[in-house]
Amino acid sequence: GENVEQHPSTLSVQEGDSAVIKCTYSDSASNYFPWYKQELGKRPQLIIDIRSNVGEKKDQRIAVTLNKTAKHFSLHITETQPEDSAVYFCAASTRGGYQKVTFGTGTKLQVIP
Amino acid sequence: DTEVTQTPKHLVMGMTNKKSLKCEQHMGHRAMYWYKQKAKKPPELMFVYSYEKLSINESVPSRFSPECPNSSLLNLHLHALQPEDSALYLCASSPDWDTDTQYFGPGTRLTVL
Repeated sequence: GENVEQHPSTLSVQEGDSAVIKCTYSDSASNYFPWYKQELGKRPQLIIDIRSNVGEKKDQRIAVTLNKTAKHFSLHITETQPEDSAVYFCAASTRGGYQKVTFGTGTKLQVIP
Repeated sequence: DTEVTQTPKHLVMGMTNKKSLKCEQHMGHRAMYWYKQKAKKPPELMFVYSYEKLSINESVPSRFSPECPNSSLLNLHLHALQPEDSALYLCASSPDWDTDTQYFGPGTRLTVL
């Protein structure tokens, strides 16, 4: 089955700096890569996603890049703000048959004011 | 209505109790999911329902019994749970079982004494 590795497990940045979280996946059939943000005690919320036919996607301060050959994808947050502090999960999903999302282990991001 | 709701928010039960968790969505989604999330870990898939039929059971113990009475409602019946079953139980839905984006409910925080 799919295996998703995520690094780093914790990340502290100064407010205004950029943050980068990296993930690798094992199943070359995976073709959808969502990123979820989970604040303490709250639900995971989809913040951005990318499909395998696209190399990069941007939404305001958040961007995701995908390297299918290397099976890497990354989340980039620019101009970080204290409200960006949360746990971020990457995930990989394979369509066809049924859709199963495999999550990475999570990155706890702390933005220091 | 554009979200997934779950009740109750918190549940404390003894090992001999029987209780149920409820999940509801009115987005017309045809796939619904139960996940279990332990502290500082990613969500783990338990069950997938597609068009009100159980499609996936990820080898979950029989003390967890899912039910999908209609396309908007998903229940999880609990019986004879163990303390290690204490966790956040998340429900999610997606437009179809092979459509990627899953939307999560707020979860039920379950404590088994």
